[in-house]
Amino acid sequence: AQSVTQLDSQVPVFEEAPVELRCNYSSSVSVYLFWYVQYPNQGLQLLLKYLSGSTLVKGINGFEAEFNKSQTSFHLRKPSVHISDTAEYFCAVSKGDDKIIFGKGTRLHILP
Amino acid sequence: KAGVTQTPRYLIKTRGQQVTLSCSPISGHRSVSWYQQTPGQGLQFLFEYFSETQRNKGNFPGRFSGRQFSNSRSEMNVSTLELGDSALYLCASSPERALEAFFGQGTRLTVV
Repeated sequence: AQSVTQLDSQVPVFEEAPVELRCNYSSSVSVYLFWYVQYPNQGLQLLLKYLSGSTLVKGINGFEAEFNKSQTSFHLRKPSVHISDTAEYFCAVSKGDDKIIFGKGTRLHILP
Repeated sequence: KAGVTQTPRYLIKTRGQQVTLSCSPISGHRSVSWYQQTPGQGLQFLFEYFSETQRNKGNFPGRFSGRQFSNSRSEMNVSTLELGDSALYLCASSPERALEAFFGQGTRLTVV
């Protein structure tokens, strides 16, 4: 069975500083990987996805993630965060033929 | 294209009552999944419907049920509500395979 571990439940970062949100997954088969963002009182919005090809994936709002098969990781990064990036971020995995499994989420707090 | 629509946005129910939540997927999407989101447990998969058939089911008691209609609209029902059922219920639709999920804004259910 697949699973997703987000190592940090909360990450505080100063505005304009870089950030990395960590995600590790486990699966015995090839997977597809996703990062979603949830703003307060909203549903989830797709930031980026890895299906195949280049291991560096660029998404919306300046975010990017790198798929590392040997370390089974899919960490999310942004070189300079803005106050508007305050949200909860979810890493997710799918085998492509059934449900998407989500991690427990990481709350990103941007400090002025 | 209209997004995923969930109704109602907010609900307050009493313990022991039952509730029905509705989800209209993006036009052309045949897969609808339901998730329960709580602060302690994160996003937990309830079930997924594809072409009116339940294709996957999470680990929830039988009080939680769902169905999908021929137009892909889906409903979920929770009977004999408990205080612990208070949560944000999210619906997501996908074209066919779980390569990307598009989420609605959710229904916030409060059980008192």
